[in-house]
Amino acid sequence: GIQVEQSPPDLILQEGANSTLRCNFSDSVNNLQWFHQNPWGQLINLFYIPSGTKQNGRLSATTVATERYSLLYISSSQTTDSGVYFCAPRGTGANNLFFGTGTRLTVIP
Amino acid sequence: DAGVIQSPRHEVTEMGQEVTLRCKPISGHNSLFWYRQTMMRGLELLIYFNNNVPIDDSGMPEDRFSAKMPNASFSTLKIQPSEPRDSAVYFCASRRTGTPAGELFFGEGSRLTVL
Repeated sequence: GIQVEQSPPDLILQEGANSTLRCNFSDSVNNLQWFHQNPWGQLINLFYIPSGTKQNGRLSATTVATERYSLLYISSSQTTDSGVYFCAPRGTGANNLFFGTGTRLTVIP
Repeated sequence: DAGVIQSPRHEVTEMGQEVTLRCKPISGHNSLFWYRQTMMRGLELLIYFNNNVPIDDSGMPEDRFSAKMPNASFSTLKIQPSEPRDSAVYFCASRRTGTPAGELFFGEGSRLTVL
């Protein structure tokens, strides 16, 4: 399967700060998703992004499939952004996603 | 629209008992996945079905685990007999395959504690 590395593993931010989370993957992918696992354990879909850039409010994501990485940008962070962010690519010809170990974000007021 | 529905949300049982977890995928989704999440191993895929047929069960830990999908709107994951090391959150997820392929959506999970 695809190896997924996420960095940083842990991140503490002051409310209002910006951050960039990185996801490197080991093989060609035909799709990639970003999820936020909130403190209650729910896995929330953020982006479905095989390539290019998408924006949704304060969050945006960029995937450069040819260079095997994806970035998640969080601007003007809020305490509700706390949780674990997972990157999950899907390999070419595969049906399942491969999950990284996540980035644990803590936003303090 | 209803999302992926899992039950029970929480289950506490004693070692040796049978546990059955249930999942209803999103209507129209033809692929269903069972994941397990633990602190030690993170999110790991146990099994997935495509059009109700098990495609890859290589992640199922051992023979104590079994999964079925008798129809497009229902799946079960069964553990018999359960052991304390099976304690985890079990997630069900579904997506549409084909063209265009759809994104994966997760249920809220079933938190299992085996004493």
